[in-house]
Amino acid sequence: GAVVSQHPSWVICKSGTSVKIECRSLDFQATTMFWYRQFPKQSLMLMATSNEGSKATYEQGVEKDKFLINHASLTLSTLTVTSAHPEDSSFYICSARGLAGVKYQETQYFGPGTRLLVL
Amino acid sequence: RKEVEQDPGPFNVPEGATVAFNCTYSNSASQSFFWYRQDCRKEPKLLMSVYSSGNEDGRFTAQLNRASQYISLLIRDSKLSDSATYLCVVNSGYSTLTFGKGTMLLVSP
Repeated sequence: GAVVSQHPSWVICKSGTSVKIECRSLDFQATTMFWYRQFPKQSLMLMATSNEGSKATYEQGVEKDKFLINHASLTLSTLTVTSAHPEDSSFYICSARGLAGVKYQETQYFGPGTRLLVL
Repeated sequence: RKEVEQDPGPFNVPEGATVAFNCTYSNSASQSFFWYRQDCRKEPKLLMSVYSSGNEDGRFTAQLNRASQYISLLIRDSKLSDSATYLCVVNSGYSTLTFGKGTMLLVSP
């Protein structure tokens, strides 16, 4: 199956700093990448949908100025949590969907996730 | 009403048991359905898609009832390694996956 990587796998930072998380599709081109957040014992919540070369579409309640998303290529999307605060501590997971009409089109493949702890 | 509802469990079963999970969804326009498995502190991994005709993959059988808007997953001959949280996932459009909170399964020796 398709491989999606995320970096870093975990990060601890001080309140007020910015944290950048990378999501890469390693063996396929992903026109669309998705960013999710999961708090303990909660379901995955979609934060935003990112299409290569265009602005991300954010879900209701997600601040686009706080969670900056860049999808500059077909294999890389980044999420930057700006001025992170303790309430931003969570498990951030990206997923990628392949190009239409080719393998991996239908299914979202998930990265291994990034655990963020803001002190 | 929540979009995707699951019994959170946990379901405690002995090895070799058969266990079934159900899931209901609220959007009648939903187009595709999946079961994902999520191990503790890991990302979700696709277990199987769910088709209207029902489908089976080894010990796992998934069923979809569109009229009643529910999806089921049956696990036969449970293994210790089946212990995980099982997520019911509904695709209500081209892009959007909606996840249930998951049902926790604990298989004991």
